[in-house]
Amino acid sequence: SQQGEEDPQALSIQEGENATMNCSYKTSINNLQWYRQNSGRGLVHLILIRSNEREKHSGRLRVTLDTSKKSSSLLITASRAADTASYFCATDSNQGGKLIFGQGTELSVKP
Amino acid sequence: DVKVTQSSRYLVKRTGEKVFLECVQDMDHENMFWYRQDPGLGLRLIYFSYDVKMKEKGDIPEGYSVSREKKERFSLILESASTNQTSMYLCASSFPRSGALPGDTQYFGPGTRLTVL
Repeated sequence: SQQGEEDPQALSIQEGENATMNCSYKTSINNLQWYRQNSGRGLVHLILIRSNEREKHSGRLRVTLDTSKKSSSLLITASRAADTASYFCATDSNQGGKLIFGQGTELSVKP
Repeated sequence: DVKVTQSSRYLVKRTGEKVFLECVQDMDHENMFWYRQDPGLGLRLIYFSYDVKMKEKGDIPEGYSVSREKKERFSLILESASTNQTSMYLCASSFPRSGALPGDTQYFGPGTRLTVL
């Protein structure tokens, strides 16, 4: 079952622009995470935001969480061609360490 | 740094063959996971394990089995490979934090792209 769903499915922008990706989920969560996947590779953890947090920053990444709307957004500022990748949100399932991943947003940053 | 390795990056097998995919992590993590990733379907959990010799079914366990004889190694087994098991297979591990909060950060291997002919 899919908990997190990302929007848009694909996003194409120019280098230097900001990229915003959204994630919606259905049930209550303890935390929400964002991962990045370069083509043909494994996923890399970017950032984790807990349910009692509203915003978190890490370098050029900004994540917001709205538990009342069951949604999160990932903002990448001043994007670079190297940011081209797929981005996934993941929510915990209240089953130990199990996470539920969305289908991802494919980001393309053109130089 | 956490390192999760998978035995092969690319694998080609024939229908009916028994296939072993190996995953090793070097950070003494308790939790290990196997996913498959297909276009349009995202990551789907096949099996996971919280400890040696323990295993739990994920969302799509049919046609797969797993083995965890040692803490650092988690193997995925396709008993009789079929063409619909052609996919990217991703292994991950995580360390359970003390306290109640679940959903720890997972560390992924590079993936194995399996083709079943």
